[in-house]
Amino acid sequence: GENVEQHPSTLSVQEGDSAVIKCTYSDSASNYFPWYKQELGKGPQLIIDIRSNVGEKKDQRIAVTLNKTAKHFSLHITETQPEDSAVYFCAVTDGGTSYGKLTFGQGTILTVHP
Amino acid sequence: KAGVTQTPRYLIKTRGQQVTLSCSPISGHRSVSWYQQTPGQGLQFLFEYFSETQRNKGNFPGRFSGRQFSNSRSEMNVSTLELGDSALYLCASSLQADTQYFGPGTRLTVL
Repeated sequence: GENVEQHPSTLSVQEGDSAVIKCTYSDSASNYFPWYKQELGKGPQLIIDIRSNVGEKKDQRIAVTLNKTAKHFSLHITETQPEDSAVYFCAVTDGGTSYGKLTFGQGTILTVHP
Repeated sequence: KAGVTQTPRYLIKTRGQQVTLSCSPISGHRSVSWYQQTPGQGLQFLFEYFSETQRNKGNFPGRFSGRQFSNSRSEMNVSTLELGDSALYLCASSLQADTQYFGPGTRLTVL
């Protein structure tokens, strides 16, 4: 089955710095790659996603890049703010026979220090 | 648009009991997926329903089951609870089962 590796497991940055989280996946059929942010006591919140026909997508301070050949994708957060502190998860799915099944990475605890 | 709602938010049960959790998807969404989140195993897929049919199932024992109603609301049931079933149970709704929006979860504690 699909395997997703996420690094780093913890990331500590100063406010205003950039943060980068990377994920690798095993199934070359995967074609949809969302990122979620989970705050304490809440469910995961979709923050950005990318499909396999696109190499990069940006939404204000957040961007995601995808390298299908190398089977890895990354989340980039620029000008970090304390409210960015949360656990971030990457996920993958092939959108085909894996109906509704997202395979998640293990999560990255991001701490932004004021 | 209202988001995904889950009830109850917290549950405490004892070993051997059974539990039913409920999920109401975003209006218009017909796909509902369920996940178990634990510190050790992370987020793991339980099953997915679309138009009252289970289309996919994860690697969980048969004690975990679910169903979906004609209004797309979904329930999951865990029978003969074990201590290891203590977790945050999340449901997510989707139009077509890829872009998923999660609810706040139900925190289940098994004593």
